[in-house]
Amino acid sequence: DQQVKQNSPSLSVQEGRISILNCDYTNSMFDYFLWYKKYPAEGPTFLISISSIKDKNEDGRFTVFLNKSAKHLSLHIVPSQPGDSAVYFCAASFYGGATNKLIFGTGTLLAVQP
Amino acid sequence: DSGVTQTPKHLITATGQRVTLRCSPRSGDLSVYWYQQSLDQGLQFLIQYYNGEERAKGNILERFSAQQFPDLHSELNLSSLELGDSALYFCASSVSDSIWLEQFFGPGTRLTVL
Repeated sequence: DQQVKQNSPSLSVQEGRISILNCDYTNSMFDYFLWYKKYPAEGPTFLISISSIKDKNEDGRFTVFLNKSAKHLSLHIVPSQPGDSAVYFCAASFYGGATNKLIFGTGTLLAVQP
Repeated sequence: DSGVTQTPKHLITATGQRVTLRCSPRSGDLSVYWYQQSLDQGLQFLIQYYNGEERAKGNILERFSAQQFPDLHSELNLSSLELGDSALYFCASSVSDSIWLEQFFGPGTRLTVL
């Protein structure tokens, strides 16, 4: 049961344009959401996060939007740069049972064309 | 460079064998997390240790075990290996035991079971 879904395996965008990466989740108990970026042969690196009490968080060129009613979050990158080409994972966290759990999506490969 | 080191980078072994993956967290980080990334899969959380104690458990098989030592490095032991255990195994670390805070990932160990 995939509780965090990234339905687009890949996305191609022109340099300077906006990149929008989407993520859907099924569990309404998730209370914190994160985005990680991964380059080939490297581990993921943290990008940006958002608490479930907010609907937007911005950090430079990166903005995450959260729509709780639709159980959907998105990552906007403006303007996109070739160096942004990577796999982007969304992740969601909730307190389940006695412990916290972090669940990742399957990732979206972003290619920014010069 | 995240400051998290993992050894070895690559490991090739046969079914039925046992291997040990090693992780050294960033200086000052008390939490260590282990993840598995199989082909076309997202990151699957396996287990978390905080200051030597198991803190959270994810989808970790009974054939797998982990521990965190007094110097805070961690080892993931995989036994009775099967073909399906072939994957990238990531270790991550963070300062606190809050799983939703930024985690710093190592470069991963690629395990191939033949």
